[in-house]
Amino acid sequence: DARVTQTPRDKVTEMGQEVTMRCQPILGHNTVFWYRQTMMQGLELLAYFRNRAPLDDSGMPKDRFSAEMPDATLATLKIQPSEPRDSAVYFCASGLSGQGLAGVYTGELFFGEGSRLTVL
Amino acid sequence: QKEVEQNSGPLSVPEGAIASLNCTYSDRGSQSFFWYRQYSGKSPELIMFIYSNGDKEDGRFTAQLNKASQYVSLLIRDSQPSDSATYLCAVNRGFGAGSYQLTFGKGTKLSVIP
Repeated sequence: DARVTQTPRDKVTEMGQEVTMRCQPILGHNTVFWYRQTMMQGLELLAYFRNRAPLDDSGMPKDRFSAEMPDATLATLKIQPSEPRDSAVYFCASGLSGQGLAGVYTGELFFGEGSRLTVL
Repeated sequence: QKEVEQNSGPLSVPEGAIASLNCTYSDRGSQSFFWYRQYSGKSPELIMFIYSNGDKEDGRFTAQLNKASQYVSLLIRDSQPSDSATYLCAVNRGFGAGSYQLTFGKGTKLSVIP
């Protein structure tokens, strides 16, 4: 059963602490995304990798957020230092860029279950 | 100007009725369009995608696209209580391997009343 795996599922931390979220994309997928979801802003794209190379991280506050993909099976999102406004659900999603079966590009993203972050 | 707009709802429909969900987008260069369903506390899952103007049907779901009006809709026929969820519209400017960034609307919450 192929799925995107995220850890931790829930994280409560204090302001100023470092937070690291991890994601294992579906084997064979070549694109990985980090999204943040809040009631006010909805789903916001933070960072995007294709074949492990960062393509777009313009949605990410550069001073405190960093995203990396050290290998094809692991993507990380780090916040240092964390602030209360970072409280949200962080989703990792993976997909296959390019034409799929029968030459149809579905653009389907498969989401992990999310990491709920609460910064006090 | 928001890139992808949806009515936040909640949209309440009786069981068995047709639910109509709407989405407008601002980027005329958008090429592909997606509807995701998100149950409370869960992650989004793809229901349908559409590229061409017109209708696309899949079971009880029909996606409609009008690029001239920059409008996408999702119709759910014979609505069931299990359809109660938030429906997210997503738009991709690119088509094919060149671009793969989805911009999401904030979603419309649908409630199907038994």
